[in-house]
Amino acid sequence: EVQLVESGGGLVQPGGSLRLSCIASGFTFSNYWMSWVRQAPGKGLEWVASVKEDGTERDYVDPLKGRSTISRDNAKNSVYLQMHSLRAEDTALYFCARGRRAPIYWGQGTPVTVSP
Amino acid sequence: EVVLTQSPLSLPVTLGQPASISCRSSHSLVFSDGNTYLSWFQQRPGQSPRRLIYWVSNRESGVPDRFSGSGSGTDFTLKITRVEAEDVGVYYCMQGTHWPRAFGQGTKVEIK
Repeated sequence: EVQLVESGGGLVQPGGSLRLSCIASGFTFSNYWMSWVRQAPGKGLEWVASVKEDGTERDYVDPLKGRSTISRDNAKNSVYLQMHSLRAEDTALYFCARGRRAPIYWGQGTPVTVSP
Repeated sequence: EVVLTQSPLSLPVTLGQPASISCRSSHSLVFSDGNTYLSWFQQRPGQSPRRLIYWVSNRESGVPDRFSGSGSGTDFTLKITRVEAEDVGVYYCMQGTHWPRAFGQGTKVEIK
């Protein structure tokens, strides 16, 4: 059974940093692109970032370019999202998802709240 | 950047009646490999998104056959032949052709 379990969310002050983690199981992790998608409270889905199977390619949505880094550790079956200079508008539930074109597997999300 | 525009944004439907959601893209979603990476997701209240349809019209395993996807190029449609109570939620189209990926604004389906 495929499972994606996110962690690392929490309350952070504006301008702060946070590192989200997602640990995968039930499939050969190193064979798939991995992505992060977020959802602000009461709002729609927003693609955040994706990383290639071997970590050599990455892509980010504009609001997070320069403020975040997606990375992965295939030995640990994990993907990460390091975020800096966080703003109130980054407050959201952050989902980890498998794939880059039409993710079929999603985690339950980890909440990030940016507030003084 | 590609913009996906869904309509309507709110869709009250009577149980057993059909429903249709439109998704229009600002750019063609045909990729250089010939495939069109337009998919549809359902998000029930309090749940993670669930993929219903991929590559325009391919139904995911386990998805009821009352759901169908169609379209080409920039215009796409998700149809539900007979809405059931379990179909309540928000439906999103998503393009996987261009970077960055993008979702439509979402269409909230509710029972009248």
